[in-house]
Amino acid sequence: DTEVTQTPKHLVMGMTNKKSLKCEQHMGHRAMYWYKQKAKKPPELMFVYSYEKLSINESVPSRFSPECPNSSLLNLHLHALQPEDSALYLCASSQGVMSVRGANVLTFGAGSRLTVL
Amino acid sequence: AQKVTQAQTEISVVEKEDVTLDCVYETRDTTYYLFWYKQPPSGELVFLIRRNSFDEQNEISGRYSWNFQKSTSSFNFTITASQVVDSAVYFCALSEGNYGGATNKLIFGTGTLLAVQP
Repeated sequence: DTEVTQTPKHLVMGMTNKKSLKCEQHMGHRAMYWYKQKAKKPPELMFVYSYEKLSINESVPSRFSPECPNSSLLNLHLHALQPEDSALYLCASSQGVMSVRGANVLTFGAGSRLTVL
Repeated sequence: AQKVTQAQTEISVVEKEDVTLDCVYETRDTTYYLFWYKQPPSGELVFLIRRNSFDEQNEISGRYSWNFQKSTSSFNFTITASQVVDSAVYFCALSEGNYGGATNKLIFGTGTLLAVQP
């Protein structure tokens, strides 16, 4: 079983809908990430949260709004999306964002596959 | 600028064959970290290995082995005696060091789709 749980697994929404993707981890990790992956492409970083604070926003359009209510939960709120936003959205977590001991390993969830009509 | 190149887009082998997936990276940092992740059809990225720039020892884990060569900026991955369950997309990724330590900002290569035929 994956240690990072993402819901829903599949989501279909219209361009005027508001929906949310949810991510949960119980490994005590203090960094959480959202990645977007288009078909046959590598994952692209969207947001990084460190200790519940947004630390990186990779110039993501405002129709994507992240939220980190606590260290175990990460949400991605979606509003007024475009068909080109259809993709697999991957959540990941790690012990921290930066470490003097070396880059932390990211643990990924199985993703939420989003289709925007 | 940092970059990861996986020149092999797709590889098809027959079960029990050995296969090597190539990864070439570019970075200006002297401290950096290299990763391999596996992405099966289910979508989840599965961590396989992390290697730091100061450790050029090759590593073997069961049927998997990795060859890190700084002189050629390569971090290749070999699967020995491939199995159908090895079919997946494999990503090589780079994370750079920083004054305060290592960051977790992963730069992924474009991935190699490995198909192992029975």
